[in-house]
Amino acid sequence: AQSVAQPEDQVNVAEGNPLTVKCTYSVSGNPYLFWYVQYPNRGLQFLLKYITGDNLVKGSYGFEAEFNKSQTSFHLKKPSALVSDSALYFCAVRDHAGGYNKLIFGAGTRLAVHP
Amino acid sequence: NAGVTQTPKFQVLKTGQSMTLQCAQDMNHEYMSWYRQDPGMGLRLIHYSVGAGITDQGEVPNGYNVSRSTTEDFPLRLLSAAPSQTSVYFCASSGLFVAGGGNQETQYFGPGTRLLVL
Repeated sequence: AQSVAQPEDQVNVAEGNPLTVKCTYSVSGNPYLFWYVQYPNRGLQFLLKYITGDNLVKGSYGFEAEFNKSQTSFHLKKPSALVSDSALYFCAVRDHAGGYNKLIFGAGTRLAVHP
Repeated sequence: NAGVTQTPKFQVLKTGQSMTLQCAQDMNHEYMSWYRQDPGMGLRLIHYSVGAGITDQGEVPNGYNVSRSTTEDFPLRLLSAAPSQTSVYFCASSGLFVAGGGNQETQYFGPGTRLLVL
């Protein structure tokens, strides 16, 4: 069965420090991986995705993610965190078994950036 | 483009009542879906559609009904509300998946409907 795990419920970072939000996946076939961000009382916003190609994917708001096939990971990173990055972050993988666009989401990681 | 819109933003129901959550998109997307978001559980797929007249069940379909009469609209119906359906509901849309990837498979989400069932 395909799945996504976000091992940390919350990540705390000081403003200006680098941040990492972890994601591991289990999928049959080539993984199609996504990161979304949810600000309070808002819908999910697309940040970036990995389909194929370079293992380092750059996305919106200065975020990037590194695809690591051997470790089945797709960690979200940012070199210098901002207080405004505080939000709920979701990793997702496309469910190939469905044949369509179904996404399987992780439970989410709350990022708190402190001044 | 308005993107994906949802109404209402917030609703309170009594157990046993029925209601319809509205979802519309103006991006001519074939794929539309409904998720529910519960604390600590991420988003779970309720129903989805790959085009007008075609719907299918997701992970947690019980107690919900959908139809897709037009490309733009994908309403979600709660047949007889239960407290377990208290949640935040998100509608999303995208183009259809194409092997090798592209931009069409990125899903865009509406702002959500917060539902409380008493």
